[in-house]
Amino acid sequence: GENVEQHPSTLSVQEGDSAVIKCTYSDSASNYFPWYKQELGKRPQLIIDIRSNVGEKKDQRIAVTLNKTAKHFSLHITETQPEDSAVYFCAAMYYGQNFVFGPGTRLSVLP
Amino acid sequence: DTEVTQTPKHLVMGMTNKKSLKCEQHMGHRAMYWYKQKAKKPPELMFVYSYEKLSINESVPSRFSPECPNSSLLNLHLHALQPEDSALYLCASSQETLAGDEQYFGPGTRLTVT
Repeated sequence: GENVEQHPSTLSVQEGDSAVIKCTYSDSASNYFPWYKQELGKRPQLIIDIRSNVGEKKDQRIAVTLNKTAKHFSLHITETQPEDSAVYFCAAMYYGQNFVFGPGTRLSVLP
Repeated sequence: DTEVTQTPKHLVMGMTNKKSLKCEQHMGHRAMYWYKQKAKKPPELMFVYSYEKLSINESVPSRFSPECPNSSLLNLHLHALQPEDSALYLCASSQETLAGDEQYFGPGTRLTVT
């Protein structure tokens, strides 16, 4: 089955700096890679996603890159703000049905 | 309406009790999911329903029994649970089960088994 690794497990940045979170996956059949943000006590919410036929996608301060050959994808957040503090999960969808989440990254944006 | 709702928000049950978790969406989605999330861990997929039929069961113990009465509703029946089953149970839905279909999560039911 699919296995998703995510690094780092915790990340602290100063407000205004950039944050980068990296994920790797094992199953080359995976073709959809979403990123979820989960604040304490809240539901996971999709912040950006990328399909396997695209190498990069950007939405304002958030961007995701995908390297299919190396089987890794990354989340980039620029100009971080305190409200970006949360746990971020990457995920890989395989066989068109399953979601396998990475273990998560706890991001703290320090004022 | 782009929301998935879940009831109850909190549930405390004994190991001999029978209870049910409910999930509802009115987005016309044909795929619905149950996930289990332990503290400081990612959500783990339990079940997937596609067009009201169970399509994925991730080797979940039989003390968890899913049901999809119609395309808008998803239930999870609980019986003879163990304390280690205490967790946040998240429901999600998507247009279908195709790659690229965003999953919308409900707020979850926090379950405590005593």
